[in-house]
Amino acid sequence: AQKITQTQPGMFVQEKEAVTLDCTYDTSDPSYGLFWYKQPSSGEMIFLIYQGSYDQQNATEGRYSLNFQKARKSANLVISASQLGDSAMYFCAMSAFTGNQFYFGTGTSLTVIP
Amino acid sequence: SQTIHQWPATLVQPVGSPLSLECTVEGTSNPNLYWYRQAAGRGLQLLFYSVGIGQISSEVPQNLSASRPQDRQFILSSKKLLLSDSGFYLCAWARDPGQPQHFGDGTRLSIL
Repeated sequence: AQKITQTQPGMFVQEKEAVTLDCTYDTSDPSYGLFWYKQPSSGEMIFLIYQGSYDQQNATEGRYSLNFQKARKSANLVISASQLGDSAMYFCAMSAFTGNQFYFGTGTSLTVIP
Repeated sequence: SQTIHQWPATLVQPVGSPLSLECTVEGTSNPNLYWYRQAAGRGLQLLFYSVGIGQISSEVPQNLSASRPQDRQFILSSKKLLLSDSGFYLCAWARDPGQPQHFGDGTRLSIL
């Protein structure tokens, strides 16, 4: 069975500092994708970054990077130079290439302090 | 570019009334489509997904149903709403399994 674990219910970071949001996963599928989404208080789910299980390099998208450690089954999100607008819920998710189920973690609430 | 539209944004319904939420995707063909529910302060629960017209898979038994009458249209329905159906409903599409899902803006459903 697939499982996503986010152990940090809430995180605080000073503006302009970097922050790491943790995510571990469990799967028996050899091929899968890992994702991070941002959900502001308005509710929409915003796709941030994607990492394929066979990708050799860690994914980066602007200020977002995904620290992918396959052996440890972790896919941590790193946000550099935090901004006030980064305050939101962040969800880690996983999907096998052979299935349609998308498994979400319980989320981490990030608050950026001025 | 692809866009996904979901409506209404907010809905207040009495217990026992019917429900119809609609989602449409533009700019792509034969997308995989999904309905999720999010309870307050919780993660997302997959309700239904569809890989093609008329093909619906249900993940959670409940009094909700889904239909896909057209390639890019996905509808979530109920004949009689329960109090427990309250929540935030999100529609999403993806090009293929294992690829990023892209979400609509969601519908906040309150049952009175």
